Amino acid sequence: EIVMTQSPATLSVSPGERATLSCRASQSVSSNLAWYQQKPGQAPRLLIYGASTWATGIPARFSGSGSGTEFTLTISSLQSEDFAVYYCQQYNNWPRTFGQGTKVEIK
Amino acid sequence: EVQLVESGGGLVQPGGSLRLSCAASGFTFSSYEMNWVRQAPGKGLEWVSYISSSGNTIYYADSVKGQFTISRDNAKNSLYLQMNHLRAEDTAIYYCAGSRTVSHFDYWGQGTLVTVSS
Repeated sequence: EIVMTQSPATLSVSPGERATLSCRASQSVSSNLAWYQQKPGQAPRLLIYGASTWATGIPARFSGSGSGTEFTLTISSLQSEDFAVYYCQQYNNWPRTFGQGTKVEIK
Repeated sequence: EVQLVESGGGLVQPGGSLRLSCAASGFTFSSYEMNWVRQAPGKGLEWVSYISSSGNTIYYADSVKGQFTISRDNAKNSLYLQMNHLRAEDTAIYYCAGSRTVSHFDYWGQGTLVTVSS
């Protein structure tokens, strides 16, 4: 099983600032990496797939990068609606596995 | 509009069974790969099971293999999860999630809560 490790666990950021979230895979997943956003009481929402491709309707302030084992999700200028938990997920191998999540909170 | 609506959750005693359903609308269900993903209270996401668009290919997480059974009825635009021999650690919100390809999860339902407790 591929283990996905996200860092940091919690990120405190002021509105308008940049946020950088990291995700590391225990072995290469190529570019088969997705990012999801989850707000309290809501289902996850797909943000990025293929490591760097925006899902439908996702604002350009979200961007993904990386391949192999190291990935990054960047939110260029945090808006109030972006404070949430973010999960990475690999879909290169079965079982599909998620990182433990990074909570982006208001500083 | 794509909609996935789960149902069937509730309180069940340890050792009991439940059958979850996921009703799909707004897209061609028979063309979509489907999954169940769960989230224990206050915890992260855990993939549970996958079924291909035709139903011919199925995978399970080791944690539920032999305990849960995924199925689908494309004529009814519905996905199912039969859960047997339930344990306290199966307590979670269960989401159905759909994919256009065998990859990331494009669409998610709002989830149904399963609580296993005496």
